[in-house]
Amino acid sequence: GQNIDQPTEMTATEGAIVQINCTYQTSGFNGLFWYQQHAGEAPTFLSYNVLDGLEEKGRFSSFLSRSKGYSYLLLKELQMKDSASYLCAVLDSNYQLIWGAGTKLIIKP
Amino acid sequence: GAVVSQHPSRVICKSGTSVKIECRSLDFQATTMFWYRQFPKQSLMLMATSNEGSKATYEQGVEKDKFLINHASLTLSTLTVTSAHPEDSSFYICSARAGTEPFEQYFGPGTRLTVT
Repeated sequence: GQNIDQPTEMTATEGAIVQINCTYQTSGFNGLFWYQQHAGEAPTFLSYNVLDGLEEKGRFSSFLSRSKGYSYLLLKELQMKDSASYLCAVLDSNYQLIWGAGTKLIIKP
Repeated sequence: GAVVSQHPSRVICKSGTSVKIECRSLDFQATTMFWYRQFPKQSLMLMATSNEGSKATYEQGVEKDKFLINHASLTLSTLTVTSAHPEDSSFYICSARAGTEPFEQYFGPGTRLTVT
């Protein structure tokens, strides 16, 4: 079956760095997405990786290793507004998005 | 980025009535639209996938006669919850995808349905 694993919850301190990991086993791979979802709101797009390596976008970076079925989202200079759930999703061979359950990130002052 | 609107943002209805939710892609043509449901503190659950001009494909366990989906044009899809019951109360979110890579899904703001 298809499976995406990410930690349920993480806690970090304002101003620090946090890495949210995602491992996946899917039927085919056509890219991996990270989305941010604040409570009560719809998800918003953060990043897309289809090739191995690191994609940097401001305070957020996303890494992919296809051979390991592994990705991480790196958040730097954490701000209180970064408190949210972070969803990892993989586009499978049928171009269907397979969603992880999300990681709830709690930022403490 | 691309914009997807959803209407209404909140709706309260009585048990047994039907509710229609609209999802529109405002600045691109969405060949595929998706409807999700999310209960509090739970992950997104895909309900159905619809391609313009075709019948929607429903996920296992989702009643197609209860959740009617119409994708009549490349910019509009509707979800009608028929004979709603309190257990249908949830956060319904649509997303739209253009037919080109990277096949990113753009999400609407969601509709919070409360059935009393």
